[in-house]
Amino acid sequence: IQMTQSPSSLSASVGDRLTITCRASQSIDTSVNWYQQKPGKAPKLLIYAASNLQTGVPSRFSGSGSGTDFTLTISSLQPEDFATYYCHQSFSISWTFGQGTKVE
Amino acid sequence: KFVESGGGLVQPGGSQRLSCEGSGFEFSNYNINWVRQAPGKGPEWVAYISSRTNSIYYADSVKGRFIISRDNSKNSLYLQMNNVRSEDTAVYYCATLGVWGQGTMVTVSS
Repeated sequence: IQMTQSPSSLSASVGDRLTITCRASQSIDTSVNWYQQKPGKAPKLLIYAASNLQTGVPSRFSGSGSGTDFTLTISSLQPEDFATYYCHQSFSISWTFGQGTKVE
Repeated sequence: KFVESGGGLVQPGGSQRLSCEGSGFEFSNYNINWVRQAPGKGPEWVAYISSRTNSIYYADSVKGRFIISRDNSKNSLYLQMNNVRSEDTAVYYCATLGVWGQGTMVTVSS
């Protein structure tokens, strides 16, 4: 299952509302998760099953979608949110990830 | 949490064994994956093992070269890497959906 993520990078400012999209090559119900990764660190789970906020993740992060089209939204960008974001499908045992979106 | 070890410099065609120790949860109840990330690239799934080792899957890029295994009595996961190539150079993570280790770096170079 291929995950196509866009944009690959974006320039933003503190307080901005951001939207990152991901499209699956086939329908995957709501089996999409979103990770945040900072340099030298492991990916951190933000959203699971398309729209569920992982424990401890700020409520400015939200996810939506089902089937093939999914969205991660950051309602008001904070300084600590500058990072790379990946969508991820767990519909198949052979996980696949999007190409990443670097927020600068 | 997970703690990986065993990374290092390996020559092309050589072998390396990675280990991952889990703690703070019932290790034997969880299906676990190896995921790698080459420098400057996104994560790539490598292998999966079910909680009781009855199901094992590999990415095509490592099938026939890598072997995933686990020892639930030791809360440990392993990845035996054989016949390594330069394209296997990456940070290797053990991971469930919500828990990833810090990773161990494997560099394949002569």
